[in-house]
Amino acid sequence: AQRVTQPEKLLSVFKGAPVELKCNYSYSGSPELFWYVQYSRQRLQLLLRHISRESIKGFTADLNKGETSFHLKKPFAQEEDSAMYYCALRVPSGGSYIPTFGRGTSLIVHP
Amino acid sequence: EAGVAQSPRYKIIEKRQSVAFWCNPISGHATLYWYQQILGQGPKLLIQFQNNGVVDDSQLPKDRFSAERLKGVDSTLKIQPAKLEDSAVYLCASSLNTGVGETQYFGPGTRLLVL
Repeated sequence: AQRVTQPEKLLSVFKGAPVELKCNYSYSGSPELFWYVQYSRQRLQLLLRHISRESIKGFTADLNKGETSFHLKKPFAQEEDSAMYYCALRVPSGGSYIPTFGRGTSLIVHP
Repeated sequence: EAGVAQSPRYKIIEKRQSVAFWCNPISGHATLYWYQQILGQGPKLLIQFQNNGVVDDSQLPKDRFSAERLKGVDSTLKIQPAKLEDSAVYLCASSLNTGVGETQYFGPGTRLLVL
């Protein structure tokens, strides 16, 4: 069965420092990977997806199939980046796609 | 556009009682998901609907949980009877369809406490 591992429960950095939130997955096929974010008192929402190869709010993530990783990076963290970040994997199953989420990493950016 | 709506927002019940949660997805979204999120964990998919058909319910504890999506729009998730370990946030999400790269839009969740 597919699995998503986010090894860090909490990541604490100072404003302006680089950030890397780790995500590793286990799946033998070609996965779809996403990062979702939940700011305080807000709903879970999409941050970015690997197929778009986009940068959102300064965040990027590269799919590394060799290392089965999809780490989220930002060169200079801002206080407003403080939130819960969830890595998610979608795999094809019977004509549909089934999602699996990691346990999440809490990012705290100190002033 | 209006987002995914859920009710109630909070519910406290005693073990062995029953409870039901309601979800109204974004208009036109064919795919609807129910997740259970226990404190400190990520969302765990319970059931996924495509219109009014079940796509996946492999992690739904079918001896006590049931869900339906009549007419392919609103959905209800029921727990009967509830156990202490069912205390969690129940999230509903919807997506336009279930194709490649499809984004899920989440509701605010229902926080359930079983005493």
